[in-house]
Amino acid sequence: DGGITQSPKYLFRKEGQNVTLSCEQNLNHDAMYWYRQDPGQGLRLIYYSQIVNDFQKGDIAEGYSVSREKKESFPLTVTSAQKNPTAFYLCASSIENARMNTEAFFGQGTRLTVV
Amino acid sequence: AQSVTQLGSHVSVSEGALVLLRCNYSSSVPPYLFWYVQYPNQGLQLLLKYTTGATLVKGINGFEAEFKKSETSFHLTKPSAHMSDAAEYFCAVTYFGNEKLTFGTGTRLTIIP
Repeated sequence: DGGITQSPKYLFRKEGQNVTLSCEQNLNHDAMYWYRQDPGQGLRLIYYSQIVNDFQKGDIAEGYSVSREKKESFPLTVTSAQKNPTAFYLCASSIENARMNTEAFFGQGTRLTVV
Repeated sequence: AQSVTQLGSHVSVSEGALVLLRCNYSSSVPPYLFWYVQYPNQGLQLLLKYTTGATLVKGINGFEAEFKKSETSFHLTKPSAHMSDAAEYFCAVTYFGNEKLTFGTGTRLTIIP
């Protein structure tokens, strides 16, 4: 079955540590996205990538980094510079939207907690 | 710039009653509009979308939404609520050629037995 796989589902981090959240898709989608979800704030865009080896900052990129070495994979690293990393992180993908509407498909999310 | 406003962070309806979740958008160009549903600790699932054409859009699980340009609205409705509809619902907007999808802050729907 095609879809988006995020791992792990739950992640605990000590203060000062970097952690990497995995996102893999087998939908052959060009575009991939990382969102952060906090209660009452909806989804906020962290980073997005439309093609391999290229990505752009979203609205809240500070303290995060990404890579896009393969079309299928878009890992997100939460660095120690992120002051409040505890949140639910969602990865999404979509067909590159040059000629079509953008319909995003989402993974099941990773809940990150700083301990 | 594009944005969406969801009126009411929490909505409660009785089982069998009409569900109405409100979404107003702001976009300087013709919008593409979406409704997504999220169950606890899950990702988002697309309910329905409007791009062009018919303004009344039908989605999964009996939901529908109507695009009203004059009111800049895209409200989500369902004639009869079911217990399984309890979830959080997000409205989102983008437009042709835009690589970003902008979400509203969400509405949590509670169904009263």
